[in-house]
Amino acid sequence: GQQVMQIPQYQHVQEGEDFTTYCNSSTTLSNIQWYKQRPGGHPVFLIQLVKSGEVKKQKRLTFQFGEAKKNSSLHITATQTTDVGTYFCAGPSTGGFKTIFGAGTRLFVKA
Amino acid sequence: DVKVTQSSRYLVKRTGEKVFLECVQDMDHENMFWYRQDPGLGLRLIYFSYDVKMKEKGDIPEGYSVSREKKERFSLILESASTNQTSMYLCAARTGQFQPQHFGDGTRLSIL
Repeated sequence: GQQVMQIPQYQHVQEGEDFTTYCNSSTTLSNIQWYKQRPGGHPVFLIQLVKSGEVKKQKRLTFQFGEAKKNSSLHITATQTTDVGTYFCAGPSTGGFKTIFGAGTRLFVKA
Repeated sequence: DVKVTQSSRYLVKRTGEKVFLECVQDMDHENMFWYRQDPGLGLRLIYFSYDVKMKEKGDIPEGYSVSREKKERFSLILESASTNQTSMYLCAARTGQFQPQHFGDGTRLSIL
């Protein structure tokens, strides 16, 4: 069935280092969404990308959508302790009604 | 801002009990979802509803049912709770297809 795969599963970084998580879909996506879940919290929507090759920035976060609309990445520049949490990518299922979430990348930041 | 409210943050029930988890959204969203989240397994869809009185099975519906009598409320029912249903349950709502989902705070359910 349709899958959205995310790597790595975990990432430990020193504060100030950069971080990237990658998302790959088994099918072409009409859009991709990114969510962040803080420890003990719930997923919070960050951004949605729609166009092939699209790049969007939110302060230190850079989101990219691949040319083939099958992959995406989230890059955080100079991580801070407030960046800790799990980052999920998600795309619509074929037919569009369900949302398929990646398994998430859990980010640990050491001060 | 969208508000999705789940009735309980923490709940402890006994094996065999019928358990109701309630979710209310305040933004007239068409679509609502119930997920469970377990360590290492990510978010798994239990049921979703795209309109009042409409419901569809997700990926893991066994042992669960849902009710959506009013647009703002989506209830998850554990017909006869079992220990393997101990989990974090998350409700979400969205305005429509391809729109982002807004999640409630979650209910951490323990079945003893």
